[in-house]
Amino acid sequence: DAGITQSPRHKVTETGTPVTLRCHQTENHRYMYWYRQDPGHGLRLIHYSYGVKDTDKGEVSDGYSVSRSKTEDFLLTLESATSSQTSVYFCAVRGGDNEQFFGPGTRLTVL
Amino acid sequence: EDQVTQSPEALRLQEGESSSLNCSYTVSGLRGLFWYRQDPGKGPEFLFTLYSAGEEKEKERLKATLTKKESFLHITAPKPEDSATYLCAVQTFSGSARQLTFGSGTQLTVLP
Repeated sequence: DAGITQSPRHKVTETGTPVTLRCHQTENHRYMYWYRQDPGHGLRLIHYSYGVKDTDKGEVSDGYSVSRSKTEDFLLTLESATSSQTSVYFCAVRGGDNEQFFGPGTRLTVL
Repeated sequence: EDQVTQSPEALRLQEGESSSLNCSYTVSGLRGLFWYRQDPGKGPEFLFTLYSAGEEKEKERLKATLTKKESFLHITAPKPEDSATYLCAVQTFSGSARQLTFGSGTQLTVLP
């Protein structure tokens, strides 16, 4: 499982509240990614990081921010959650041959 | 814009009935094509990487092949435990993120 954990695994929140999801890895991977997975859309990249304090936007970054203050932790923040952000969120790390290994996911429901 | 299309969306097989899943892609320059398996409620599990047309990779009952426009995941004599959603993704030479563009997946059900 590439030593990736995500927390929380499930969360229900209300529209307008901030939410932070955490991804933690134990194998010192440089690149980390946040994806969301929705029916009919597949996995879409939100943000990625290529090192401590180095991040960039992906395909669907509006309404999300990220931070990486330590190699092992990559945080995804929904600044003001909306119902359209109800989704399953996956964190991934990049392996040595450019493959990506995924965490177990966080199911987020915004009411 | 990179595009990945998987077909069929869903496939039901009897145990032992071999078949193939298709992943067609349109990209500016393919660095690699990746296959994943995803079980319900879990994250995608890496299966294979293919880099060039003509390449093949095998793992147990699965064999992945690649042409210049598509990839196939062949499943030989499947078992019920092969039931899952199979995802393919492409990676291109553009950008430094080595990000993956995913298809929507094929949901495979193998009946005993």
